[in-house]
Parts: sequence; structure tokens; C-alpha cells
Amino acid sequence: DGGITQSPKYLFRKEGQNVTLSCEQNLNHDAMYWYRQDPGQGLRLIYYSQIVNDFQKGDIAEGYSVSREKKESFPLTVTSAQKNPTAFYLCASTPALYSNEKLFFGSGTQLSVL
Amino acid sequence: GENVEQHPSTLSVQEGDSAVIKCTYSDSASNYFPWYKQELGKGPQLIIDIRSNVGEKKDQRIAVTLNKTAKHFSLHITETQPEDSAVYFCAPWEFGNQFYFGTGTSLTVIP
Repeated sequence: DGGITQSPKYLFRKEGQNVTLSCEQNLNHDAMYWYRQDPGQGLRLIYYSQIVNDFQKGDIAEGYSVSREKKESFPLTVTSAQKNPTAFYLCASTPALYSNEKLFFGSGTQLSVL
Repeated sequence: GENVEQHPSTLSVQEGDSAVIKCTYSDSASNYFPWYKQELGKGPQLIIDIRSNVGEKKDQRIAVTLNKTAKHFSLHITETQPEDSAVYFCAPWEFGNQFYFGTGTSLTVIP
């Protein structure tokens, strides 16, 4: 079945540490997205990519970095510069950027600070 | 960006009753209006969507109504069941823009 796989399900970060969240899709979608979800809040866009080797900052990109070396993969790195990283992180995709089609979401990664 | 408000933020209904969640948006150019359901510890999933040339769409117990003049659209769930308990998000969309999500409505269906 086609879909988006996020790993790990749970991740713990120590002070000063960078951590990387994995996102892989086999939907052949061009556009991929990273959202951050905090309790009681909506989803906020961190980064998005419309094609391999291209990505753009979303509304809350500070303290995060991404890469898009393969169409299927869009990993997110939470750097030590992100002072409040505890949140639920969701990866999503659409067939193309600005496509008025539904977002396909992964099952998320819960990141916590030790 | 788009200002999106969702009401209510929490909703409890008895099993079998109806539930209505309203989403108000600010950008009159928005033309795609989806609703997502998120179960605990999972990613959101689309449950129904509507486009701006349609006023209402129904899929079994779920319906969405759109009022473009007033800039709001609503999710209607009839004959609610315990498995409808989840958080629901609206995310109105305009071409050339990103999806802006509402803050969510936590629905609890009491057996």
C-alpha cells in the first residue's frame, strides 16, 4: 500500500543535541511538508519541498533544517538552536505543490527533551 | 496568511446525537475546504472536502456545508458513534498558498 512512513515513533533529545526525524513516501508525490503540532493547537508549517533539491521555509523554520536528496525522502533535523522542540511532528505529501488535493500524513514522531 | 478559527474547541455528545463544527476563514480567495480527523497518536486523515462551486457535500453520516459569502464552512456528523471521538481540523486552501489549519475540535462521543 502507498503511504508515508515516519520514524521513529518516539524520540528523545538531550541538551545541545541535533536529532533527525525520518520521512519516506512511496506515493510518487512531488511535494512534501513538515508540520509541528503542539497540544491544543493546529498544525504549523516548518518546511516544504516541491521537488528534489529544492525546499522552502514555512512559518516556523528557525531551529530546523531539511534536505531533499531523493523524491521519496524528506528528513527533518531539529537542531540545538530550537529551544522548545517538544512537540508532535508530522510529515505530509501532495501530488504537487499548491495542489488542491488532500494532504497525506504519516503517523508522526513525538519528540521530547530529556 | 489566512486566519482560521474553529468552534467549538471541545464538544461532547451522546451516542446517536449529531455534532456540528464550524470553521471561519478570512481569505475570500480560498476555494478548497477539507476536514481532517486525527485519532490519538496518529496523523490526520481527510474525511470530507468541498470545493467552492458546491454548497454541500454528503458522505454517509458526514456532511460539509459551505457559505462562501459569510466565509465559513461546517462539518456535520449525524448518528454519532464512539469511533467518531477524535480531534477534527479544518484547513481552507487558496491556490498558490499553503494549508492553514484551524486549532482543532476535540469531539467526545459518550456511549
